[in-house]
This record gives sequence, C-alpha cells and structure tokens, in this order.
Amino acid sequence: GDSVTQMEGPVTLSEEAFLTINCTYTATGYPSLFWYVQYPGEGLQLLLKATKADDKGSNKGFEATYRKETTSFHLEKGSVQVSDSAVYFCALSGSGNTGKLIFGQGTTLQVKP
Amino acid sequence: NAGVMQNPRHLVRRRGQEARLRCSPMKGHSHVYWYRQLPEEGLKFMVYLQKENIIDESGMPKERFSAEFPKEGPSILRIQQVVRGDSAAYFCASSPEPGTSYEQYFGPGTRLTVT
Repeated sequence: GDSVTQMEGPVTLSEEAFLTINCTYTATGYPSLFWYVQYPGEGLQLLLKATKADDKGSNKGFEATYRKETTSFHLEKGSVQVSDSAVYFCALSGSGNTGKLIFGQGTTLQVKP
Repeated sequence: NAGVMQNPRHLVRRRGQEARLRCSPMKGHSHVYWYRQLPEEGLKFMVYLQKENIIDESGMPKERFSAEFPKEGPSILRIQQVVRGDSAAYFCASSPEPGTSYEQYFGPGTRLTVT
C-alpha cells in the first residue's frame, strides 16, 4: 500500500543554518504531496503542497520539489530560525480521491540560537 | 471564522470505560476526517465522513470504534471499552470539499490517556 518515509529526528541546527528533511514515498498512481508542521500543543498546519511531478511548493521560505523519478519530496529552507522549531510531517493523498492523507512518522526540528 | 474545534483537549479514562471525542468543523465545511497519532508515530487515517454518511472507514479498528457526523451538531468518535493501547492523540480535520484540491484544516487534538 501507499506509504511515506521520513528521516528520523530530532534534527538540531543553529539559527541561520540550512535545513533539509528527507521524505520518500511509495504510491500507486499520481498522488499529491504535502508538508505539514505541528507546533507544540497545536494541530497540524499545511506548510506547502505539490500536486504533480516537478511542481515546487513553497511557503515561508520553505521549499519542496515533487520528484517522481526518485519518489521524493524533500523539505528545504535556506536559513532556519528558532521559531521554526516544530515537528514536520510529510504526507501524500491516498487513493480514491477522498482526500484522506497518509503521513510519515514526523521529524522534530530544534533550532538553537 | 473559528477554526476546527475539538473537545475535550485531554481525556482520562480507566480501562473498560467509554470515550467520546467531539469535533466541530470549520463553518461551511461538511467533510470531516479523523486521524490517530500514537506515541512516536505519524498520524494514521481512521475515517472520513460527510454529513450523515460514512464515506471511508478503512482505517477504523473493526471493534469498539465508531464515528458519526449528524445533520446537526459535531462529529463524534466513540471508543467503547477502552484499553491502554487506545492512548493516543486523536485529530480531526475538516474541508469544504473532498479531494486534494482543498486544504484540510486540523483541530488541536484530543489526548486520550487510558489508565
């Protein structure tokens, strides 16, 4: 079945460092891909998405490109801030176009001043 | 426009009791999704409902779990005879339409602890 695999955390970086969080997927068909962010004690918020191969999603300095050939959707940011500390989830849309999401296990990012 | 509301935020139940989790979608949203997050794991899809209909319950455990989304009122996730393995965070999300063209808006979750 469809699945998402993310790099394990926690990822600890200094402020202004470059961020990469790896995400690969297995899916039948052509799913849409998403990155969600979860701040402590809160629900998930959509960070960015891409709906077809070679699309690049971007928001708040974060970017991810839908790579069909490598089945990947890695999250990147050029210069992280302390306020970016959170848990990041990669997800894909499940089959059947009902909108249900299949999530990776999440990667905790800690940014130190 | 208020966001997705879930209550209670924290729920403690003893083994064998029933747990009822409520979700009020955003105004104008008639599609609700429930997800469960076990400790140290990602979210797992449980069920997708529209008003008065269960559309996809492929992620629901076969026993003890049920969900509804009545014409009036919040969506309810009901867990009967809870066991320790039910301890998790349960998230509800809503969208105005199904499919991936529409963002799912998540509530803050209900953290269930079974003692």
